Amino acid sequence: GENVEQHPSTLSVQEGDSAVIKCTYSDSASNYFPWYKQELGKGPQLIIDIRSNVGEKKDQRIAVTLNKTAKHFSLHITETQPEDSAVYFCAAWLGGAGSYQLTFGKGTKLSVIP
Amino acid sequence: DAGITQSPRHKVTETGTPVTLRCHQTENHRYMYWYRQDPGHGLRLIHYSYGVKDTDKGEVSDGYSVSRSKTEDFLLTLESATSSQTSVYFCALRGEGGYGYTFGSGTRLTVV
Repeated sequence: GENVEQHPSTLSVQEGDSAVIKCTYSDSASNYFPWYKQELGKGPQLIIDIRSNVGEKKDQRIAVTLNKTAKHFSLHITETQPEDSAVYFCAAWLGGAGSYQLTFGKGTKLSVIP
Repeated sequence: DAGITQSPRHKVTETGTPVTLRCHQTENHRYMYWYRQDPGHGLRLIHYSYGVKDTDKGEVSDGYSVSRSKTEDFLLTLESATSSQTSVYFCALRGEGGYGYTFGSGTRLTVV
């Protein structure tokens, strides 16, 4: 099965600085990598995703990069704002027949200090 | 999120009592999942369903059972609740042909 490691577990940044969260996965057959943001008291929400045939994807202040050779992917948040404070989860989808689920990292608690 | 509802939102129950949590969807999605979330452990899969009456175990299924008698409802049952099952439970949906999940708002369960 797939295994996803996420680092760091907590991250504090000053407002306006950048934040980077990194994940590694174990199975080279994984082909889809989403990132979720979970605000306090709510369920996780998909914020950006990337497929294995793409190296980078951007959406305004957030971007995800994927290095298939090294089997790692990262979330980049630029110009952080207090509302970016949340728990972020990475995940990987193991492709192939009979694959039904995402495997999640353990999460990163991001705190943006005003 | 619109299209997925978990009930109840909060519940306190006593050790040894049965508890059922409900996940209801209006999206007609095939795949449904139950996760528990605990500090330091992230999201751990309990059970999932890939169709009506088709379910399978996840990594932390002991002490839990599920049922899906119709597309829109996925029930999670704790047959005899224990304090170790105190947690926040999330339901998630996935549509056919896609990989991303839509999560519900969660149920906070406390077993005393």
